[in-house]
Amino acid sequence: QKEVEQNSGPLSVPEGAIASLNCTYSDRVSQSFFWYRQYSGKSPELIMSIYSNGDKEDGRFTAQLNKASQYVSLLIRDSQPSDSATYLCAVNTRLLDSSYKLIFGSGTRLLVRP
Amino acid sequence: DTGVSQDPRHKITKRGQNVTFRCDPISEHNRLYWYRQTLGQGPEFLTYFQNEAQLEKSRLLSDRFSAERPKGSFSTLEIQRTEQGDSAMYLCASSSPEDPSGANVLTFGAGSRLTVL
Repeated sequence: QKEVEQNSGPLSVPEGAIASLNCTYSDRVSQSFFWYRQYSGKSPELIMSIYSNGDKEDGRFTAQLNKASQYVSLLIRDSQPSDSATYLCAVNTRLLDSSYKLIFGSGTRLLVRP
Repeated sequence: DTGVSQDPRHKITKRGQNVTFRCDPISEHNRLYWYRQTLGQGPEFLTYFQNEAQLEKSRLLSDRFSAERPKGSFSTLEIQRTEQGDSAMYLCASSSPEDPSGANVLTFGAGSRLTVL
């Protein structure tokens, strides 16, 4: 079982719709979770972080976390063609020195149709 | 400070040659990470430095790979005797333990794309 799992997609939605991206993780002690957006040929850029169960909203983005189910999701409201990218779910995993490394899923490709 | 810098951005080499990538992290960040990303996959962790100490190294990193961070500032990643399977984007990221959330938020550089012919 992969440590962080995502559906590879592509997820295709019409412009203006809500895009829903999902992620599950295996490490029960993970405490912090991130969504990165990656455009083709570019490096990942952080768009959302979430640390507590429930919802966290930032503009058109809402991250949802359920630690009991080991599930993280990202909702994008009013999707725009410029949102078309790969969305990477990442989970912090503790290292021996008590710092962390990020473990990434393989990403979900989102396509927003004009 | 303009973020994490990586050099070169692109490198094309022949199989068997050695290559070296450089990463300059955000100046106040003492944690530095190297990741490798191949097409259609998420970034895979390679190694981690806290200041000049290399504290974690992935099993993905064969003996042909070596990373250094002298003086705890910039870092280099060297690949010896490159193979076609080494073709990938090599990403550097840095973070600060002083992040208010304590969550170790990584900022990535633009990456160094390696093509081995």
